[in-house]
Amino acid sequence: QVQLVESGGGVVQPGRSLRLSCAASGFTFSSYAMHWVRQAPGKGLEWVASIYYDGTNEHYADPVKGRFTISRDNSKNTLYLQMNSLRPEDSALYSCARDRARAVAGFDYWGLGSLVTVSS
Amino acid sequence: DIVMTQTPLSSPVTLGQPASISCRSSQSLVHRDGNTYLSWLQQRPGQTPRLLIYKISNRFSGVPDRFSGSGAGTDFTLNISRVEAEDVGVYYCTQATEYPLTFGGGTKVEIK
Repeated sequence: QVQLVESGGGVVQPGRSLRLSCAASGFTFSSYAMHWVRQAPGKGLEWVASIYYDGTNEHYADPVKGRFTISRDNSKNTLYLQMNSLRPEDSALYSCARDRARAVAGFDYWGLGSLVTVSS
Repeated sequence: DIVMTQTPLSSPVTLGQPASISCRSSQSLVHRDGNTYLSWLQQRPGQTPRLLIYKISNRFSGVPDRFSGSGAGTDFTLNISRVEAEDVGVYYCTQATEYPLTFGGGTKVEIK
């Protein structure tokens, strides 16, 4: 079955960096677009970034543009999110989600998430 | 950006009774490829979101047939024909027609 397992979260000071990973299994990772979505405690869902199945196209939400980079290694079935210049408002549970298609058609499977806390 | 507006914010429902959630987008969700990428997600308390409905009305694998979606253009509805205890949670509509991908604010379904 489809499994997505995030790792790499933690507590970090403002201005520092963190890299999240999402290990995928149970499907052909290289055939699907992937996304990062975050959810602050008690809040709704916020899309962060997307990458096409072959890594050729990336899209970012305005609040993270220029600071976050999404990437993937199809040989390792792994999705990444490099987060630089972190701010307190970036604190959230970060989940990776699979798309239904190679480009973008909407999320289907989600990981449990990795918690990121930005605090001095 | 496409703004997704859900109503109501909260929906107290009696077990076995129907529930309906509305989602309105600030612009048409019809993609240039002719598809409408409007989905509904369920997030049970303490759990990760789960896809219920995609492309307006298609039930995802394993989703009970008491869940149904309808609508077109900018107005969409999720219906639960007979609410069960396991349906408690927050429901989100989301669009993938255009970047940035956006979500509705969520509707909390709870049992009266």
